[in-house]
Amino acid sequence: EPEVTQTPSHQVTQMGQEVILRCVPISNHLYFYWYRQILGQKVEFLVSFYNNEISEKSEIFDDQFSVERPDGSNFTLKIRSTKLEDSAMYFCASNVQGTAGAFFGQGTRLTVV
Amino acid sequence: AQSVTQPDIHITVSEGASLELRCNYSYGATPYLFWYVQSPGQGLQLLLKYFSGDTLVQGIKGFEAEFKRSQSSFNLRKPSVHWSDAAEYFCAVGADSSYKLIFGSGTRLLVRP
Repeated sequence: EPEVTQTPSHQVTQMGQEVILRCVPISNHLYFYWYRQILGQKVEFLVSFYNNEISEKSEIFDDQFSVERPDGSNFTLKIRSTKLEDSAMYFCASNVQGTAGAFFGQGTRLTVV
Repeated sequence: AQSVTQPDIHITVSEGASLELRCNYSYGATPYLFWYVQSPGQGLQLLLKYFSGDTLVQGIKGFEAEFKRSQSSFNLRKPSVHWSDAAEYFCAVGADSSYKLIFGSGTRLLVRP
């Protein structure tokens, strides 16, 4: 069964460093998303991406965040200068239609120290 | 604005017993409704979804959910719980105007042997 793949599974970084979280969405999917889940809290939407551009972003997704689809398979989330409060599980998701219900990856646990 | 409420933070049931997890949503039009399950250290797996039509929807792993517009609810049910169902369950709402999902805070299900 096709699945969304995220790497790495766990990343530890120092405050102020840049991190790139990587995702390989399901191959025929057209809509891509990033969500995050701070420990013990609910899953929060960050950004949606379609047709090579951001279609929607949340208030969390400020200038420190960016997304890119550098080739036909990868979808990345970059945090330019990490803060302690960026520590969370980051989930990538994709679907073939925007309203279809997204398929989520296993997540990348980001720890900022 | 859309919102989702899962009033039960924890629920404990005995193996073999029936289960109902509550979900209430707030949205002006007909929402798209989803239930996801998250096992410890895992990503989010889509259990079932409601878009329109029959208000009782069947999902994977023997789960079903019923959409009740009059109560703004989308409760998840299972007639007989298995120990492997122990996990966190998230209700989510989406909409035509936006493809993002708004998640509830989750219900942690514990299963007694």
